[in-house]
Amino acid sequence: QKEVEQDPGPLSVPEGAIVSLNCTYSNSAFQYFMWYRQYSRKGPELLMYTYSSGNKEDGRFTAQVDKSSKYISLFIRDSQPSDSATYLCAMTQRSNTGKLIFGQGTTLQVKP
Amino acid sequence: DTGVSQNPRHKITKRGQNVTFRCDPISEHNRLYWYRQTLGQGPEFLTYFQNEAQLEKSRLLSDRFSAERPKGSFSTLEIQRTEQGDSAMYLCASSSAGTFKAGWDEQFFGPGTRLTVL
Repeated sequence: QKEVEQDPGPLSVPEGAIVSLNCTYSNSAFQYFMWYRQYSRKGPELLMYTYSSGNKEDGRFTAQVDKSSKYISLFIRDSQPSDSATYLCAMTQRSNTGKLIFGQGTTLQVKP
Repeated sequence: DTGVSQNPRHKITKRGQNVTFRCDPISEHNRLYWYRQTLGQGPEFLTYFQNEAQLEKSRLLSDRFSAERPKGSFSTLEIQRTEQGDSAMYLCASSSAGTFKAGWDEQFFGPGTRLTVL
């Protein structure tokens, strides 16, 4: 079983829809939770990061972490065609290396 | 600052050949990571450098793989006797230890080198 599980999709929604992306994890030592966006044939870029449990909002994006359930979410409001990409959850524990453990990624298509 | 750069962007090779990839991190970033991403999967950690010291290697990094970071600047990843299973995107990321945001530092990724082994 992988440390981080993420539904690969694909997920297709109409423009303006609310999108919900989720990951579950098994390692209770994870403390830092990130969402990366990856466009085709590009490297991942950081969208949001959250420390421990709680919510964080940045414009149209909201990240939620529930450590008790080992479950994290990313919500995208008023989705745009430019949001079409692969969304990767990633997490790490406080350590000397900071290596990231990624989910499989969810492919999102927002149709105009 | 032009970000993390990787060369070549694409590499096609025949099974059994050796290949070498280069990563130039963001200047003054002292941490450097290599990840491998296969089609439809998320990146998997391969190895980590702090300055010139290689401090962690994944068990994914077989004896055919070697990475270096001379002088703590650019890094190279070499794969010897390539196999078809080595076909993947090889991603490099860098970060700056000491700019901890609540205990972690943001990793900036390069565009990757896509390797195809025929």
